[in-house]
Amino acid sequence: NAGVTQTPKFQVLKTGQSMTLQCAQDMNHNSMYWYRQDPGMGLRLIYYSASEGTTDKGEVPNGYNVSRLNKREFSLRLESAAPSQTSVYFCASRWDRGLGETQYFGPGTRLLVL
Amino acid sequence: DAKTTQPNSMESNEEEPVHLPCNHSTISGTDYIHWYRQLPSQGPEYVIHGLTSNVNNRMASLAIAEDRKSSTLILHRATLRDAAVYYCALAGGTSYGKLTFGQGTILTVHP
Repeated sequence: NAGVTQTPKFQVLKTGQSMTLQCAQDMNHNSMYWYRQDPGMGLRLIYYSASEGTTDKGEVPNGYNVSRLNKREFSLRLESAAPSQTSVYFCASRWDRGLGETQYFGPGTRLLVL
Repeated sequence: DAKTTQPNSMESNEEEPVHLPCNHSTISGTDYIHWYRQLPSQGPEYVIHGLTSNVNNRMASLAIAEDRKSSTLILHRATLRDAAVYYCALAGGTSYGKLTFGQGTILTVHP
């Protein structure tokens, strides 16, 4: 099993450009999450999807959109990138039996917006 | 959402025990306490989690205060490979597992 995979690994954008970060998991997990990590800020939740076909906002959703394409894939879109969105983005997934199970994280996408 | 507070950094010597504290004074009754660690340029990796009772696994132990307002991650014998940023996080039992992370503690292990 590959676990959680993310593409691309690294991306440079100009202000105003758009892009989609891809995430896929092969563990048959129900829930998927997108976090961003900034220096000194820990990880903050952007959006999550509790199950296929549902999405909800997290702590910092402004400037982002998400799509839960199917049970395996959860993408994050920046419609008009801003320098403040320079960050490392992590996708995670979880089975979800309501027992506090762990999340499994991908390797991250490093995004630089100029 | 409940918050967690951790020291910015801690140091240890190899093969000695390490106690990493976390305060979560506003924790709710259904919040699970999770610990993750992150090596440079990698995603967070699960270490341990618990609700009320102390927990042990092959990586570490989790000691939870009786009032649940604090917890301690215990690495019994630190190795150089344990040098990482350790995050304490809370996940509500009814909130689809959304994790609220603290700032993390940078653990340095000296040979």
